[in-house]
Amino acid sequence: NAGVMQNPRHLVRRRGQEARLRCSPMKGHSHVYWYRQLPEEGLKFMVYLQKENIIDESGMPKERFSAEFPKEGPSILRIQQVVRGDSAAYFCASSPPKGVSYEQYFGPGTRLTVT
Amino acid sequence: AQSVTQPDIHITVSEGASLELRCNYSYGATPYLFWYVQSPGQGLQLLLKYFSGDTLVQGIKGFEAEFKRSQSSFNLRKPSVHWSDAAEYFCAVAPSGGYNKLIFGAGTRLAVHP
Repeated sequence: NAGVMQNPRHLVRRRGQEARLRCSPMKGHSHVYWYRQLPEEGLKFMVYLQKENIIDESGMPKERFSAEFPKEGPSILRIQQVVRGDSAAYFCASSPPKGVSYEQYFGPGTRLTVT
Repeated sequence: AQSVTQPDIHITVSEGASLELRCNYSYGATPYLFWYVQSPGQGLQLLLKYFSGDTLVQGIKGFEAEFKRSQSSFNLRKPSVHWSDAAEYFCAVAPSGGYNKLIFGAGTRLAVHP
């Protein structure tokens, strides 16, 4: 059973460009979470999604950031008009349906560098 | 508001020595508690978790943690550290009874001297 997959692993963008980060959850998992880790800091929650639904986006910046988890395909975290402060590692985690177990399994992360 | 405190930013131990990493949380009820480990440039691996029941939980790689409700603590321990344990360790909490965000501490970076 493949783990959580994220791509790309490394992404370099110039200021003002768009960044699209992809996350494929583990097989059978229907919940996806996105976290951001700034240098020398812990992970901060951004958004929690189920298929076609945003459940909790309380950690998402109000502007430029959006997330989706379509019926088919990976979850996407999209950052428009990136700025240097967006440079960070972005981690995706997935968990199985309710009633199975409650654990979040993390992907390897996407390291975004804004130049 | 829920929060997690890991008081030690950096810890250095000698190989073979015992280890205890501290974690305190602030939450109204008993949350779900987790310890994760992150090697440089890698994602997070779950070491162990506490949902309910026995307050001493065993994890992978020889780690254990003890939940102490009276102290709101969930400290991670290992009796004998190996050089490969050098990494960053994160304590996290989540509200019990449902799916929700994990709240992480700032992490403790462990260095192991030979």
